[in-house]
Amino acid sequence: AQSVTQLGSHVSVSEGALVLLRCNYSSSVPPYLFWYVQYPNQGLQLLLKYTSAATLVKGINGFEAEFKKSETSFHLTKPSAHMSDAAEYFCAVRDVNDYKLSFGAGTTVTVRA
Amino acid sequence: DVKVTQSSRYLVKRTGEKVFLECVQDMDHENMFWYRQDPGLGLRLIYFSYDVKMKEKGDIPEGYSVSREKKERFSLILESASTNQTSMYLCASRGQGSTFSGANVLTFGAGSRLTVL
Repeated sequence: AQSVTQLGSHVSVSEGALVLLRCNYSSSVPPYLFWYVQYPNQGLQLLLKYTSAATLVKGINGFEAEFKKSETSFHLTKPSAHMSDAAEYFCAVRDVNDYKLSFGAGTTVTVRA
Repeated sequence: DVKVTQSSRYLVKRTGEKVFLECVQDMDHENMFWYRQDPGLGLRLIYFSYDVKMKEKGDIPEGYSVSREKKERFSLILESASTNQTSMYLCASRGQGSTFSGANVLTFGAGSRLTVL
């Protein structure tokens, strides 16, 4: 079964600074990869997904992620943080022929004014 | 847009009580899921249903059961609630495509926060 590691449970950035959230998965076979965001007291929303097309994936709200097979990574970035980006972010992975989506432990992003 | 509705946002129950968490989706999705979310542990899958009356155990099914009598509704049941089941419970559904393939995304409900005293 797939496993997902998110490095850093908390990230604090200044408004306007780069946001970088790290995600590594366990499989040697490229799976489907997702980033979800959870705002306070809400469910999870999809930010973006990788499905074996372009390795650089653009999502909503200015986020993007790059799939690197050699590093088994799918790190999420945003060039310039906004106060509204304060939330918890989850990386998730699913094998191509499996129903199960496995989530990382999550990274909470705080944005300083 | 797909809407996944969880009937209760906040519940407080006592140890030993039977608890029902209800989830309804409005887009005729075949697949529905129940996850549990705890700080530092992310989301863990409790049960999955791929069709009416069909279910599969996830990673942490102990102490839980599920019911799917109609396609749009997936219920999570705690037969005898315990304090270690205090958590946020998230329901999700997934759209068209075969059960075990495709990159179709999960759509989540807003969550049900359960406190067991």
